[in-house]
Parts: sequence; C-alpha cells; structure tokens
Amino acid sequence: DQQVKQNSPSLSVQEGRISILNCDYTNSMFDYFLWYKKYPAEGPTFLISISSIKDKNEDGRFTVFLNKSAKHLSLHIVPSQPGDSAVYFCAANGGSNYKLTFGKGTLLTVNP
Amino acid sequence: GAGVSQTPSNKVTEKGKYVELRCDPISGHTALYWYRQSLGQGPEFLIYFQGTGAADDSGLPNDRFFAVRPEGSVSTLKIQRTERGDSAVYLCASSSMGGPGEQFFGPGTRLTVL
Repeated sequence: DQQVKQNSPSLSVQEGRISILNCDYTNSMFDYFLWYKKYPAEGPTFLISISSIKDKNEDGRFTVFLNKSAKHLSLHIVPSQPGDSAVYFCAANGGSNYKLTFGKGTLLTVNP
Repeated sequence: GAGVSQTPSNKVTEKGKYVELRCDPISGHTALYWYRQSLGQGPEFLIYFQGTGAADDSGLPNDRFFAVRPEGSVSTLKIQRTERGDSAVYLCASSSMGGPGEQFFGPGTRLTVL
C-alpha cells in the first residue's frame, strides 16, 4: 500500500522550459511535504517543503503547489537547467510522525 | 560544516555473514534516522533515534536487524546472518530535533550480499 505515489518514472524537458513533477498521497494524516533531489551515488538532498496550512511555497526557480482536497502536490522548476537532471523524490510526514514516507521517484532529464 | 557521513561507502559480503554500517550525524543533531533504498524504490524507514534511545524501530524488517546509538551521536546499524534480499543502499539522516521537517541525508552505504 503506497501512501505516496509518483506515477511518472521519468520526465524529459528542454533546457529553459518548465519541469512539472507530480505526487499524490493517500494518508490524510500527512501535513508536511518535502521534495528531495538525488544524484547517482549521493544521498537525497533537500530541495523545498510545504506545510499543509499553505498551498504554495516558492524558492528561486522551485515552486511547490499543494492541493489538499485532491491530495496532490507538484514541483515546478522554471527555467529548467541541465544541472537539474536527477531523480526527484516526493516525501511526507505528519503530526508527531517524524518518519518520512517517500514516493518511488521521478527521473528528470533536462536536455541542452 | 560537515554533513552526515557514512562508512563504508560500499560493502560486499557473503550470505550469512554479519555486517556493521556506521553513521556520523551532523554535530548537535539529536534525531537520527536509518532508511533503506532498494533498486527502483524510494527510501523506506527503518528506525528513528531521539538521543540515545530508539524511539521507533517499527521499520526494521526482522530481528536480524539492530541499531544502536550509545552516546547520542554516532549510530551503527547491525545486520546478522545477511541474506541476498538485504542488498540495498542504507541511508542515514539526521535533524536538529524530531518531528515533521527536513532531514539531512548522508551518501549511503551500498550493501551487496553475494
């Protein structure tokens, strides 16, 4: 039973265009959501997060949108750069639950 | 400042052997987590320490897995009688306190059981 789902295993975009990565969750107890980026042979690196009391959080080229009614969040990267090519994981936790539940990840490839 | 470090970076062992994986969290972080990532999957929670005590070990797959954090800093994940299915990347993360929020990950230890 996957509580955090990333249904697109991969995404390819052109440099300069927008990348949109999607994530769905099923557990209503989740109230904090995070995106991590992972390069090969490295650990996940925190990118951006959002609390359930917000519907948008922006940090430079990265924006996360949260739609609680649909239990859906998305990460927008604009403009996309070749260095953004990596696996992106959506993760969630909530309440007093400290453990992160991750999706399976989406491999983003940004072509020059 | 130094991030989370893990040693060894790679470990190859034979089925049935015992292994120890080490994690050095960010200095001052009281919360420490172990996750396991299998091929094609996201990291899966194993155990959480707050200080020296294991606050939640519900993710450990069976009693062959054990972890300690005797002084509230370095942690060791111990796997007895390794099986081929234990092959994965073992990730350690730390945070300044428990609860929802960002966790900082180390580079992981890739364990291969032959």
